[in-house]
Amino acid sequence: GAVVSQHPSWVICKSGTSVKIECRSLDFQATTMFWYRQFPKQSLMLMATSNEGSKATYEQGVEKDKFLINHASLTLSTLTVTSAHPEDSSFYICSAPGVYNSPLHFGNGTRLTVT
Amino acid sequence: LAKTTQPISMDSYEGQEVNITCSHNNIATNDYITWYQQFPSQGPRFIIQGYKTKVTNEVASLFIPADRKSSTLSLPRVSLSDTAVYYCLVGDGSWGKLQFGAGTQVVVTP
Repeated sequence: GAVVSQHPSWVICKSGTSVKIECRSLDFQATTMFWYRQFPKQSLMLMATSNEGSKATYEQGVEKDKFLINHASLTLSTLTVTSAHPEDSSFYICSAPGVYNSPLHFGNGTRLTVT
Repeated sequence: LAKTTQPISMDSYEGQEVNITCSHNNIATNDYITWYQQFPSQGPRFIIQGYKTKVTNEVASLFIPADRKSSTLSLPRVSLSDTAVYYCLVGDGSWGKLQFGAGTQVVVTP
């Protein structure tokens, strides 16, 4: 079945540095990918929609200059958390739709801890 | 966008059947209903998807009434490893602008 791979699975960084998270569709092409953030004991919150070949669409309240999204190819989207702060510590998850009407495929998430 | 409402939590014993109902009153004609399972520190895992009536696979059944304003996920004979959060998602095939509800925390005890 369709697989979405997310890397790294966890990362620790110092405050003020930037961190890049990769999301790959392994056996299918994804013109669109979605990025979510999940805080402990909370649901997933959609941050942005990544579009291959064009700018990402950000949800209200999500800073596009802080969370840089690049969808360079049909199988890769990256999320870069710039100038990370401790409050950016969270669980970040990506997903990609397969063929129309098929379920969304989710990555296994990235645990970001900013110290 | 169809909003979903689920119970916050459900408790069960091993071997019992667990039924989780999700309300989605403003589901659109093109929308599908999909259920996911999430363990701590993991991404959601697909369980089952349906459009109407009943769908069954090797792990669950999904019951959807004719008006499609709700759906029920049925987990037969749960085990301890079924302890997880279950999410009901409603959306068209593009899954754009999908918003997760709160999910249902299912706790299975011996």
